[in-house]
Amino acid sequence: EIVLTQSPGTLSLSPGERATLSCRASQSFSRTYLAWFQQKPGQAPRLLIYDVSSRAAGIPDRFSGSGSGTDFTLTISRLEPEDLAVYYCQQYDDPPFSFGQGTKLQIK
Amino acid sequence: EVQLVESGGGLVRPGGSLRLSCVGSGFSFSNYEMNWVRQAPGKGLEWVSYISSSGTTTYYADSLKGRFTISRDNGKNSLYLQMNSLRAEDTAVYYCARGALTLGLDSYPVGLDYWGQGTLVTVSS
Repeated sequence: EIVLTQSPGTLSLSPGERATLSCRASQSFSRTYLAWFQQKPGQAPRLLIYDVSSRAAGIPDRFSGSGSGTDFTLTISRLEPEDLAVYYCQQYDDPPFSFGQGTKLQIK
Repeated sequence: EVQLVESGGGLVRPGGSLRLSCVGSGFSFSNYEMNWVRQAPGKGLEWVSYISSSGTTTYYADSLKGRFTISRDNGKNSLYLQMNSLRAEDTAVYYCARGALTLGLDSYPVGLDYWGQGTLVTVSS
């Protein structure tokens, strides 16, 4: 089973700043099946990034994904107040298709 | 417009059973893999189960230990989760989520791109 560990647990930044969220896997993937989701309070999760670096439909280019092997990153280049949310990574390469524990992004 | 609507949640006693449903619309349901994901109150997302577009392949989270069964009826555009021997720790919002497009033998994964609004399952005496 692939375990995903996200860091930091909480991130507090100001509007306009750059956010860097990390997701580390316990083993390498055979394919680039790593996704990132955003979940705002009281809402269902929303897909942001799939296949490590591909933006989902309608996602602004402020959001970008990168990484390989066991280390992956979600970057939000210019934070906006509406980016307040919890962000999760998920691998869909090898079942069980595990999620990370999440990073809570707070906007100062 | 793609829509996924879950139903069937509610209050159930420990040891009881419940069957969740998810109806898809606005897309060719039979061509997509489907998943269930749950979220306990105040906690993170937990992947629960997967089913292939044809229904012939299924996967489950190790923690479920055979208590849950995923199935689908493509004629009814419906996904199901049969939950037995329920425990307090199964209390969560259960989401259905669309997975990869499957055309013939080819699969085109793009993550879980559409989610339902969730249905709450509460296991308590």
